[in-house]
Amino acid sequence: GESVGLHLPTLSVQEGDNSIINCAYSNSASDYFIWYKQESGKGPQFIIDIRSNMDKRQGQRVTVLLNKTVKHLSLQIAATQPGDSAVYFCAENGGSNYKLTFGKGTLLTVNP
Amino acid sequence: KAGVTQTPRYLIKTRGQQVTLSCSPISGHRSVSWYQQTPGQGLQFLFEYFSETQRNKGNFPGRFSGRQFSNSRSEMNVSTLELGDSALYLCASSLAAGGLKGELFFGEGSRLTVL
Repeated sequence: GESVGLHLPTLSVQEGDNSIINCAYSNSASDYFIWYKQESGKGPQFIIDIRSNMDKRQGQRVTVLLNKTVKHLSLQIAATQPGDSAVYFCAENGGSNYKLTFGKGTLLTVNP
Repeated sequence: KAGVTQTPRYLIKTRGQQVTLSCSPISGHRSVSWYQQTPGQGLQFLFEYFSETQRNKGNFPGRFSGRQFSNSRSEMNVSTLELGDSALYLCASSLAAGGLKGELFFGEGSRLTVL
């Protein structure tokens, strides 16, 4: 069935370190993946997306890696800053054009 | 450019009542989706509308319904409220007519508490 799960519910890092947030998905039909950041009291904010024809995509300080063989997705944040503290969700489309299935989220805490 | 606007931001209802939540998408966006967010279940897809038509629906009971108007604004309604309906209801809009070809822009959500 469809499911998107996160390996770690919480992640604590020191300011300036790199952060890696992992996500497993089970729907082989998924061909579109997105990472969202949600700060307390706010709606999810788009970070970066990747399609299944790619295995890596880079943004500003963020990189998403996709391993379709093991159905694994990761978000790497370089030089993590206190402002990066939030809950991070991965989401997959399950082959659909109209809906996303979200993971449970990982709480990232950046210590100064 | 204004973002996705949801009203009301907070509301408290009692069991058995009904509630209507409103969402105004980003100007020019014709696709509107609704998600329910709870600590236990995370973000779950409710339904998606495009040009006043519901294109997809999640696994929620019939008490959850929605609609979209000609100006792309959308409403969702929950009837006969239950305690478990307490959640943050998020609306997201997208420019892409063909569905998820790009970002979903989320609003701040409407936090519903059912007593």
